[in-house]
Amino acid sequence: GESVGLHLPTLSVQEGDNSIINCAYSNSASDYFIWYKQESGKGPQFIIDIRSNMDKRQGQRVTVLLNKTVKHLSLQIAATQPGDSAVYFCAENIQGGSEKLVFGKGTKLTVNP
Amino acid sequence: DAGVTQSPTHLIKTRGQQVTLRCSPKSGHDTVSWYQQALGQGPQFIFQYYEEEERQRGNFPDRFSGHQFPNYSSELNVNALLLGDSALYLCASRQTGKAQYFGPGTRLTVL
Repeated sequence: GESVGLHLPTLSVQEGDNSIINCAYSNSASDYFIWYKQESGKGPQFIIDIRSNMDKRQGQRVTVLLNKTVKHLSLQIAATQPGDSAVYFCAENIQGGSEKLVFGKGTKLTVNP
Repeated sequence: DAGVTQSPTHLIKTRGQQVTLRCSPKSGHDTVSWYQQALGQGPQFIFQYYEEEERQRGNFPDRFSGHQFPNYSSELNVNALLLGDSALYLCASRQTGKAQYFGPGTRLTVL
């Protein structure tokens, strides 16, 4: 079946540290993955995506790593700032197949000043 | 460039009533999806519309229905509301093959 889960439900870091948020997925057919950030009372905000033909993709202060062998996804945030405090979701999709995104429960990131 | 917009932002209904939520996609996007997000959970896919037709549906009862208009905007209708329908309803839009972008959501409370 489909499932996307996160190893840690909460993560607390100091401002300026690097953060790593992990995600496991079970559908080996998934070929597209997205990280979203959701602040309280708001909709999910797109952060970065990666397709299964890549192992790593970098954005501004963020890096996503994909390990298809163990079906694991991670989001690295460099120099974490208080504004990064939010719930982070990974989502998976099968391009050209199922149209729906399958989300995990999320990891709550708290950045301490 | 306006992003995805949704209306209303908040809504309170009683059991058995019907509700209509509205979504305008991001400019240039032709596909609209609806998700339900219960408190403390990730969004759950309801259905997706493309070219004014429902293209795929998640595990939701027929009480949930939708529509897409020629200008790509969309409505989500829920009939015979239950207490368990209380949630944040999210609309997401995208271009074919691209990432989905979400609106701010409509918070529905059923009393």
